[in-house]
Amino acid sequence: RKEVEQDPGPFNVPEGATVAFNCTYSNSASQSFFWYRQDCRKEPKLLMSVYSSGNEDGRFTAQLNRASQYISLLIRDSKLSDSATYLCVVNQGSYIPTFGRGTSLIVHP
Amino acid sequence: DTGVSQDPRHKITKRGQNVTFRCDPISEHNRLYWYRQTLGQGPEFLTYFQNEAQLEKSRLLSDRFSAERPKGSFSTLEIQRTEQGDSAMYLCASSFLTSYEQYFGPGTRLTVT
Repeated sequence: RKEVEQDPGPFNVPEGATVAFNCTYSNSASQSFFWYRQDCRKEPKLLMSVYSSGNEDGRFTAQLNRASQYISLLIRDSKLSDSATYLCVVNQGSYIPTFGRGTSLIVHP
Repeated sequence: DTGVSQDPRHKITKRGQNVTFRCDPISEHNRLYWYRQTLGQGPEFLTYFQNEAQLEKSRLLSDRFSAERPKGSFSTLEIQRTEQGDSAMYLCASSFLTSYEQYFGPGTRLTVT
């Protein structure tokens, strides 16, 4: 089993839709969780941290479920500009993060 | 621009040649990381530095790869005797000492022919 797993997608959604991605992790001792966004042929950029109490930033909401060992990212009112790959990142007790392979999102008109 | 910078942005080399990449982190950041990313995959950890000390290397990292950060500022990644399988995007990231949040440079895309 991979340490951090994501559905690669792609998720094809119309503008205005709500879409959610999950990411599962295998190490129950994992401490820090993040979502990064990566545009085609660009570097990953930090989107948001995922706290135990959840985290919301505008149209984006991130949640952590420690019991089931997954994190989620919810995007409301999708925009064309949200089209990208969303990378789940988990720190498993060290400063070395483990990245998922990413989930591709395509928002169409 | 005070972000992470990498040079060169693109490198095409012939199999068997040596290549060296440079990364300049955000100046206040103590930690510097190197990753490799291939199409359809997430970044794969290679090695990281805390100031000038190289604290960890991936066990997947071949002996042909070496990295330095001599003065705790910029870092170089060298690949000796390149192979076609080394073709990838090489990403550098940096972070504060007490933070897990990392900021990435634009990457160096290596093509080995």
